[in-house]
Amino acid sequence: EAEVAQSPRYKITEKSQAVAFWCDPISGHATLYWYRQILGQGPELLVQFQDESVVDDSQLPKDRFSAERLKGVDSTLKIQPAELGDSAMYLCASSLDPASPYEQYFGPGTRLTVT
Amino acid sequence: DQQVKQNSPSLSVQEGRISILNCDYTNSMFDYFLWYKKYPAEGPTFLISISSIKDKNEDGRFTVFLNKSAKHLSLHIVPSQPGDSAVYFCAAIHSGTYKYIFGTGTRLKVLA
Repeated sequence: EAEVAQSPRYKITEKSQAVAFWCDPISGHATLYWYRQILGQGPELLVQFQDESVVDDSQLPKDRFSAERLKGVDSTLKIQPAELGDSAMYLCASSLDPASPYEQYFGPGTRLTVT
Repeated sequence: DQQVKQNSPSLSVQEGRISILNCDYTNSMFDYFLWYKKYPAEGPTFLISISSIKDKNEDGRFTVFLNKSAKHLSLHIVPSQPGDSAVYFCAAIHSGTYKYIFGTGTRLKVLA
């Protein structure tokens, strides 16, 4: 069964350091999403890609976060510099096309701890 | 401004009994609702959904009910099994944006 892959699964970093997460969506899925889930809360959308284009990054803290999906397949989310408040689970999801996005398929997530 | 609310952070149910998880929303423009289940160290997995033109959708042991006038939906699991123990998130979509808004989740524990 096809799955969304994410790496690393866990990351511990010191504040002010740079950190990067990688996501490989299900093959053929044009839409890719990055979410942040803080403990005790639901996932919150950070950025949405349609192929290689950003279609929604309204909740992405652009002073420190960046995301790219250069070839419209896998994607990287970067934080520089990391802050203590960035400690969270970072989830990647994909869906087949934007007209039918209702079922998003999530990866296992990257748990980030900033010390 | 929490547009989707799950007011019960946790719920314990005896195996074989019914589990009822609740979700309230404030935005009348939401027209599609989903439930996801999340086990520890895994991403959320899709469970069941319902369009706003319906009031009920059933899939095996899982049934979702939608009350549009009350802006309320609920997930019923019958009979509950220990493997159902997980965190359950409801999510709402406004088809104009295709953007998921998640609730805060309810941790269900099914006791054997």
